[in-house]
Amino acid sequence: GENVEQHPSTLSVQEGDSAVIKCTYSDSASNYFPWYKQELGKRPQLIIDIRSNVGEKKDQRIAVTLNKTAKHFSLHITETQPEDSAVYFCAASLENTGFQKLVFGTGTRLLVSP
Amino acid sequence: NAGVTQTPKFQVLKTGQSMTLQCAQDMNHNSMYWYRQDPGMGLRLIYYSASEGTTDKGEVPNGYNVSRLNKREFSLRLESAAPSQTSVYFCASSKDITTGELFFGEGSRLTVL
Repeated sequence: GENVEQHPSTLSVQEGDSAVIKCTYSDSASNYFPWYKQELGKRPQLIIDIRSNVGEKKDQRIAVTLNKTAKHFSLHITETQPEDSAVYFCAASLENTGFQKLVFGTGTRLLVSP
Repeated sequence: NAGVTQTPKFQVLKTGQSMTLQCAQDMNHNSMYWYRQDPGMGLRLIYYSASEGTTDKGEVPNGYNVSRLNKREFSLRLESAAPSQTSVYFCASSKDITTGELFFGEGSRLTVL
């Protein structure tokens, strides 16, 4: 089955810096890669996702890149702000096989200092 | 529109006690899920219900049972709680098993002594 590794486990940056979180996956058939953000004490929420027919996707200050050959994908946050502080989870699955097949990474705690 | 609501938010149990976590969604979603979140482990699927009337095991089902009471409600039961079940539990729902995104509840923190 699919296995997703996520690094780093903790990331501290200064406000205005960029942050990059990386994930690798094991199943070359996987083609759906969402990212969830969980603020302290709150529920995880989808912030962006990418499918394997696209190499990069942007939404304002966040972007996700995908390298299918290397089987890794990354979340990029530019001009970080204190409200970006949260735990970020990546995930991977083969689209249309069901959310029960979605495998999550172990999470990255991002701390943005003013 | 409350989204996904789960209760209780906090619970302390003694080993061997039983309890039920309740979950309800008001988005007319077909599919519902129970996850547990442990430090350094990410989110792991316990059970899911692809549609009303069906339930299936996820990655870590041992020690749990579920009931899809109706389209809105999906409960998780611990029959005989163990310290290893100390965790934060999240209920989630999606439009159906393959479409849309996962919408999570706010979580239930369970401690088993």
